[in-house]
Amino acid sequence: GENVEQHPSTLSVQEGDSAVIKCTYSDSASNYFPWYKQELGKRPQLIIDIRSNVGEKKDQRIAVTLNKTAKHFSLHITETQPEDSAVYFCAASKDSNSGYALNFGKGTSLLVTP
Amino acid sequence: GAVVSQHPSRVICKSGTSVKIECRSLDFQATTMFWYRQFPKKSLMLMATSNEGSKATYEQGVEKDKFLINHASLTLSTLTVTSAHPEDSSFYICSATSGGVVKNIQYFGAGTRLSVL
Repeated sequence: GENVEQHPSTLSVQEGDSAVIKCTYSDSASNYFPWYKQELGKRPQLIIDIRSNVGEKKDQRIAVTLNKTAKHFSLHITETQPEDSAVYFCAASKDSNSGYALNFGKGTSLLVTP
Repeated sequence: GAVVSQHPSRVICKSGTSVKIECRSLDFQATTMFWYRQFPKKSLMLMATSNEGSKATYEQGVEKDKFLINHASLTLSTLTVTSAHPEDSSFYICSATSGGVVKNIQYFGAGTRLSVL
């Protein structure tokens, strides 16, 4: 099955700096890669996603890049703010008769200090 | 749009009792719902995939007789933890997909924190 590795497990940055979180996946059939942000005790919120026919996608301060050949994708947050502090999860999914289950990475706890 | 409601948000029960958790898609029809379990400071572990009108598909290591899943309609899936024990204490989260062009996107419920005494 799919195996998603995520690094780093914790990341601390100063407000205004950039943060980068990296993930690798094992199943070359995976074609959908979302990123979720989860604050303590809250539900995961989709912040950005990318499909395998695209190499990069940007939404304001957040961008995701995908390298299909190397099977890795990354989340980039620029001009970080304290409210960006949360746990971020990457995930990979592929078309399936059973319904596009997400395989999550172990998460990155991001702390943005003022 | 794409709101998923999950109830209850928290439940405390005695060992041996059964607990039912509901997951509802409020403004869309969910062809598929997923149930996850999350331990403190850990990732989401997929327990089962639930398709409306058919039996759930359980992940390896998840006891189907322990965690009963019913997806009776396109807007409701339920997870029943039968004969709960302290080791079942966890954060359970459901998600739903609507199918169509954006069929991969999962919208999550707010989760249920189960504490078994």
